[in-house]
Amino acid sequence: GENVEQHPSTLSVQEGDSAVIKCTYSDSASNYFPWYKQELGKRPQLIIDIRSNVGEKKDQRIAVTLNKTAKHFSLHITETQPEDSAVYFCAGRSSGGYNKLIFGAGTRLAVHP
Amino acid sequence: EAGVVQSPRYKIIEKKQPVAFWCNPISGHNTLYWYRQNLGQGPELLIRYENEEAVDDSQLPKDRFSAERLKGVDSTLKIQPAELGDSAVYLCASSFEWHTGELFFGEGSRLTVL
Repeated sequence: GENVEQHPSTLSVQEGDSAVIKCTYSDSASNYFPWYKQELGKRPQLIIDIRSNVGEKKDQRIAVTLNKTAKHFSLHITETQPEDSAVYFCAGRSSGGYNKLIFGAGTRLAVHP
Repeated sequence: EAGVVQSPRYKIIEKKQPVAFWCNPISGHNTLYWYRQNLGQGPELLIRYENEEAVDDSQLPKDRFSAERLKGVDSTLKIQPAELGDSAVYLCASSFEWHTGELFFGEGSRLTVL
């Protein structure tokens, strides 16, 4: 089955800097990779996703890149703001089996003013 | 549009006691998920329903956990008896269909077993 590893577990940046979170997956059949943001005590919410037929996707200050050959994908946040502080989870979903969405362990991002 | 509603938000029980969580998904969403989120970890799928059918319960500890989704709408997740290791946040999520992508999560039910 799918296994998703996420790095780093914590990330601290200054406001205005960029932040990059990386994930690797094990199942080459995986075809969908979402990123969820979870603020303290709140529900996880989708911020961006990418499918395996696309190499990069952008939405304002956030972007996701996918390297199918290396089986890794990354979240890029530019011009970080204090409200970007949260835990970010990557996930991967295989096209086979139960089509289960497997989450990484999360990255706690702190943006300091 | 109302989001996924869960109750209770918090529950503290002693070990060996039963506990139940309730979830009301977004109207029209056929797929419902129960996830468990341990402290500092990502959500782990316990069970997925397509309408009223459980199509993936491979991660559900069936000796003590049970779930149902009557009439393909609301769902309950039950633990009996609870163990110390069951302390976690239990998240319910729904999606229109499993392959359409976005999962909409509820606020979660935080369980503490003493």
